[in-house]
Amino acid sequence: DQQVKQNSPSLSVQEGRISILNCDYTNSMFDYFLWYKKYPAEGPTFLISISSIKDKNEDGRFTVFLNKSAKHLSLHIVPSQPGDSAVYFCAASPSTSGTYKYIFGTGTRLKVLA
Amino acid sequence: KAGVTQTPRYLIKTRGQQVTLSCSPISGHRSVSWYQQTPGQGLQFLFEYFSETQRNKGNFPGRFSGRQFSNSRSEMNVSTLELGDSALYLCASSAGGTNEKLFFGSGTQLSVL
Repeated sequence: DQQVKQNSPSLSVQEGRISILNCDYTNSMFDYFLWYKKYPAEGPTFLISISSIKDKNEDGRFTVFLNKSAKHLSLHIVPSQPGDSAVYFCAASPSTSGTYKYIFGTGTRLKVLA
Repeated sequence: KAGVTQTPRYLIKTRGQQVTLSCSPISGHRSVSWYQQTPGQGLQFLFEYFSETQRNKGNFPGRFSGRQFSNSRSEMNVSTLELGDSALYLCASSAGGTNEKLFFGSGTQLSVL
């Protein structure tokens, strides 16, 4: 049972344009969400997070939007750069339930074309 | 500050063998989590340790086990290896509280022949 879903395995975007990566979740207990970026042969690196008390969080070129009623979050990268080409994972945690684990999606491979 | 260190980087084993993977967390971090990454499956949670105690466990068979030492270093063991255990095993550390971001190591790539 995949509680966190990234339905687009891959995405190609032209350099300078906006990249939008989507993530859906099924567990209404999830209240903290993170995005990670992963290059080949490296571990995932943290990008940005959002708590369920917010609907938007911004950090430079990266913005995460959370729609709790739709159980949907998205990561916007503006403008996209070739160095952004990587696999992006969203992760969710039910932090108020006392568990200390993150459930990750299957990832979306972003390719930014120069 | 040194990052999360995983050893070895690569391992080749045959079916039926067992394997032990090691993870040294960031200094001061008391929580270590283990994940399995396979193509198309994303990162699957194995277990999480905090102060030498397993706090959370994923849906993996008992062949997968782990432990954490008093210096927060952690090991993961897989016994009776199967072909399907071939994967990238990632370790992540954090301070251990709620809403703490995870810091990942580069992983151990395990190939089972």
